[in-house]
Amino acid sequence: AQSVTQPDIHITVSEGASLELRCNYSYGATPYLFWYVQSPGQGLQLLLKYFSGDTLVQGIKGFEAEFKRSQSSFNLRKPSVHWSDAAEYFCAVGAFGNEKLTFGTGTRLTIIP
Amino acid sequence: GAGVSQSPSNKVTEKGKDVELRCDPISGHTALYWYRQSLGQGLEFLIYFQGNSAPDKSGLPSDRFSAERTGGSVSTLTIQRTQQEDSAVYLCASLGTSRLYNEQFFGPGTRLTVL
Repeated sequence: AQSVTQPDIHITVSEGASLELRCNYSYGATPYLFWYVQSPGQGLQLLLKYFSGDTLVQGIKGFEAEFKRSQSSFNLRKPSVHWSDAAEYFCAVGAFGNEKLTFGTGTRLTIIP
Repeated sequence: GAGVSQSPSNKVTEKGKDVELRCDPISGHTALYWYRQSLGQGLEFLIYFQGNSAPDKSGLPSDRFSAERTGGSVSTLTIQRTQQEDSAVYLCASLGTSRLYNEQFFGPGTRLTVL
C-alpha cells in the first residue's frame, strides 16, 4: 500500500528566508507525486506535481520540488517565503490510472516578520 | 460555477442524528471524490465516482457512511447515526484534465461537529 510521511508537523520561518518541507513516500512503482496547499478556511490548491521526466518540477507561487527516487523523497522548496505562504501543506502520492490520492498528515507553515 | 462548491460550510449535529453533505463539482468533470480531514490525520480517502461506473467505496469507514451522485453531477455524502469521531472536515474534489495530467480540484469543505 502506498503511504506518505511528512515528518514536520509545524515549521516556523522568517519572511524572506528559504523553505524546505519534507515528504517521503512509499510506493511499489513509479509514483505520481503532488504538493497541495490549504489556506485557512479554503480548499486544497495544487502547487505542483511530478509524473515523469525532469525530477525538478516548478509550480505556482514560486515553489519547486525535487523527486529523488533513491531517497523516496519529494521535498518542497521556496527560496524566499512571503507572509502569504503561511498555510498547511500536504504531500500526496497516486498511481497512474488510479487517481485516488494518499495524503500525508500535513505541515503547518508559520511565517514570522 | 467556477469551482467545486460544498454545502453547508459548517454543520453541528447531535450524536445519533443523520447528516447530509452536498458537493457540486466543476461542470464537465466526470470524476468526484470525497475525503475526510481529521485533526492531525491528514486527508483520508472515502469514496470515488467515475462516470457511470460503480463507485469505489473502499475508503468508507463504516456502513453508516454512504454517498450517491445524481445525474453524474451533484453528490451527497450521508452519515447516519453520527458519532463524535465523525467530527471532521469533509472535502470534495472533482477531477479535470490539465495538459498531460489529471488534477483534482477541491472544494472548501464542510466542517462537521458532532456533539
